[in-house]
Amino acid sequence: GENVEQHPSTLSVQEGDSAVIKCTYSDSASNYFPWYKQELGKGPQLIIDIRSNVGEKKDQRIAVTLNKTAKHFSLHITETQPEDSAVYFCAASSRNAGNMLTFGGGTRLMVKP
Amino acid sequence: SAVISQKPSRDICQRGTSLTIQCQVDSQVTMMFWYRQQPGQSLTLIATANQGSEATYESGFVIDKFPISRPNLTFSTLTVSNMSPEDSSIYLCSVSGGWGEGANVLTFGAGSRLTVL
Repeated sequence: GENVEQHPSTLSVQEGDSAVIKCTYSDSASNYFPWYKQELGKGPQLIIDIRSNVGEKKDQRIAVTLNKTAKHFSLHITETQPEDSAVYFCAASSRNAGNMLTFGGGTRLMVKP
Repeated sequence: SAVISQKPSRDICQRGTSLTIQCQVDSQVTMMFWYRQQPGQSLTLIATANQGSEATYESGFVIDKFPISRPNLTFSTLTVSNMSPEDSSIYLCSVSGGWGEGANVLTFGAGSRLTVL
């Protein structure tokens, strides 16, 4: 089945700096790659996603890039703010797994004011 | 996207007891799922709640331990039976965005944080 690895597990940046979180996946049939943000005491919230027919997608300060050949995708957050502090999860979905999502281990992002 | 309400939001339970978590969605949805998030860990799918039939459980999860009901397209319950401290987790209800490309877009509830003493 699908295996998703996420790095780093914790990331501390200064306010205003950029943050990058990377994920790799194992199933070449995976075609959907969402990113979720989980704040303390809340459920995960979808912040951006990308499908395998595009290489990059941007939404204001966040962007996701996908390299299908290398089977990795990344989340980029620019001009970080304290409210970006949360746990971020990547995930991958494969037709081979009935389109079910497999989640990475999570990254705890801390943005220091 | 759908709005999901979960009850209880948190509870402290005694070893050996059972607790039922409720998930209410503000619109009819085809697919509902239950996830477990152990402390500091990622999300693990427990089962798919099927309307009108038995839930589909993932490897490592069984109906006797996690019975699930899905009486209609807007409501589901998950029971954690005969709890032990290892069951202390956040339990999350989620729904998918529907058909086609929306089928794998998940919306999550706020979760139910269970602590078993």
